[in-house]
Amino acid sequence: DAGVIQSPRHEVTEMGQEVTLRCKPISGHDYLFWYRQTMMRGLELLIYFNNNVPIDDSGMPEDRFSAKMPNASFSTLKIQPSEPRDSAVYFCASSFFWKGKGTEAFFGQGTRLTVV
Amino acid sequence: AQSVTQLDSQVPVFEEAPVELRCNYSSSVSVYLFWYVQYPNQGLQLLLKYLSGSTLVKGINGFEAEFNKSQTSFHLRKPSVHISDTAEYFCAVSFSGGYQKVTFGIGTKLQVIP
Repeated sequence: DAGVIQSPRHEVTEMGQEVTLRCKPISGHDYLFWYRQTMMRGLELLIYFNNNVPIDDSGMPEDRFSAKMPNASFSTLKIQPSEPRDSAVYFCASSFFWKGKGTEAFFGQGTRLTVV
Repeated sequence: AQSVTQLDSQVPVFEEAPVELRCNYSSSVSVYLFWYVQYPNQGLQLLLKYLSGSTLVKGINGFEAEFNKSQTSFHLRKPSVHISDTAEYFCAVSFSGGYQKVTFGIGTKLQVIP
């Protein structure tokens, strides 16, 4: 498997524009996570899905952020409208939950978002 | 709720010297523990994990960590570091049952000095 694939790798957009980040998890994984990494806050969990269903979105900072997982092989994180303070690296990760054993999350390369 | 504290934001160490990166966690239930490494402009990759059994866990690149339940710690160690170990290291915790929500520490930047 190619691992978790995120696109684009870099995104520069103007304030007020809509931004969509994309993620393809590892085939067979049943959990998908979206994280945001900044110097000030470190790595924050925004939302995660289990079997395409959002389980916990308490980390989503504002209503401007939304995430979807229409099927097991694709997820999007959308910011509308974008603001300069949204500038960060956004990571997608996936994992397979094996009850009683646990497993690690596999991360994509990240999308570096810059809002000017 | 579970949480992770990494006590050192930056750790400078000379090449070939030993290093310990500290991690403490809090949780009211049994947990799984992880250490991840992030090289510049890369995603995170797993170094090692503790699920159960032996409290001393060995990982990739010569790293190891010891789970100490009484002190709720999971410190990462390496007896002799290389320049290539310069990176940021993240401790993480998840519940051992139920939904698998992984919580990360703030990270520790390891700088290996030639």
